[in-house]
Amino acid sequence: ILNVEQSPQSLHVQEGDSTNFTCSFPSSNFYALHWYRWETAKSPEALFVMTLNGDEKKKGRISATLNTKEGYSYLYIKGSQPEDSATYLCAFRNYGGSQGNLIFGKGTKLSVKP
Amino acid sequence: NAGVTQTPKFQVLKTGQSMTLQCAQDMNHNSMYWYRQDPGMGLRLIYYSASEGTTDKGEVPNGYNVSRLNKREFSLRLESAAPSQTSVYFCASRDIEKLFFGSGTQLSVL
Repeated sequence: ILNVEQSPQSLHVQEGDSTNFTCSFPSSNFYALHWYRWETAKSPEALFVMTLNGDEKKKGRISATLNTKEGYSYLYIKGSQPEDSATYLCAFRNYGGSQGNLIFGKGTKLSVKP
Repeated sequence: NAGVTQTPKFQVLKTGQSMTLQCAQDMNHNSMYWYRQDPGMGLRLIYYSASEGTTDKGEVPNGYNVSRLNKREFSLRLESAAPSQTSVYFCASRDIEKLFFGSGTQLSVL
């Protein structure tokens, strides 16, 4: 059974703090790693899709790195703002899996206090 | 562009009742998905459709049926609702690798 683990489960930071969280996934037969941002009462929105070992992606103050050999990805938020408060989901897909085989982690819930 | 549209947003059912959740996308995507979200769990795949005319089971298909009516629409049916199906349901469509989600349906089965 493929498992995707995210840590921490929740995080409380002050406005201006930089923060990061982790997504761990099986390192064999890697195909893609997704990050989604999910604000309360809204639907998840894609942040990044990464496919290559060593990939680094950036969108504004948010960036992500990927290590497929050891099976982890980090999401970084620089200078957190209250509008960054959301649940951040990662999802993993492997080769040989069906199109539907995108396995989601349980998410990291970030709260940024002004 | 509306993206992925789901209806209804909220629904309360009694045990044994049936209902259909509707989903439509206007982005010309081939693949569409139904997920459920439960407290303390990740999004879990119920069914998906890789293209018009095809459907496949996901991780938690029991108690559900789906129809890919055309390229735009993918509906999820609960034939005889059970309290265990109380959840938030999300429809999604896929563009190459990225998923686009609908706004969700909050379903309670009493």
